[in-house]
Amino acid sequence: RKEVEQDPGPFNVPEGATVAFNCTYSNSASQSFFWYRQDCRKEPKLLMSVYSSGNEDGRFTAQLNRASQYISLLIRDSKLSDSATYLCVVNVGNAGKSTFGDGTTLTVKP
Amino acid sequence: EPEVTQTPSHQVTQMGQEVILRCVPISNHLYFYWYRQILGQKVEFLVSFYNNEISEKSEIFDDQFSVERPDGSNFTLKIRSTKLEDSAMYFCASGDVSYNSPLHFGNGTRLTVT
Repeated sequence: RKEVEQDPGPFNVPEGATVAFNCTYSNSASQSFFWYRQDCRKEPKLLMSVYSSGNEDGRFTAQLNRASQYISLLIRDSKLSDSATYLCVVNVGNAGKSTFGDGTTLTVKP
Repeated sequence: EPEVTQTPSHQVTQMGQEVILRCVPISNHLYFYWYRQILGQKVEFLVSFYNNEISEKSEIFDDQFSVERPDGSNFTLKIRSTKLEDSAMYFCASGDVSYNSPLHFGNGTRLTVT
């Protein structure tokens, strides 16, 4: 089983659509959770941290379910500029190793 | 906004040569990392560094790899004898207060080994 597993994608959606990405992790000792976005051949950029209580940043909502070892990202009212690869990242926290999922690619079309 | 900077942006080297990839982390950050991404593959952890020593390293980070923080600002990754399979994008990252802090990545160095 992969340490971090994401929806394989790709997702192709029209502008204005709502899209949800899912991620599961295998290590129950994981301590911190993030969503990053990565544009083609660029560095990953932090989109948002994910907390057990759930958190929202504008059109983006992240949820964490520790019992199910599951993380989600919801994007509402998709924009063309949301087109990117979304990376689920899990950190066990003992010594800084962050494990990245394979990424889910989103293309938002006019 | 403070940035992590990496140089060079692209390095071409011959198999067996040594390369040094350079990074300047964000100035008040305490935790430093190297990751790599082979073209078309996922981002992979190489090493974490705190308080002038390696905290954790992956299986990829074998005896050919080393890291150093030679002064108060630079953080380097050295590959002693490069192999074709070392060709990848290498990202430096830094974090502020703990291992659970979000990572701030540099623009990356594309290493091509011929």
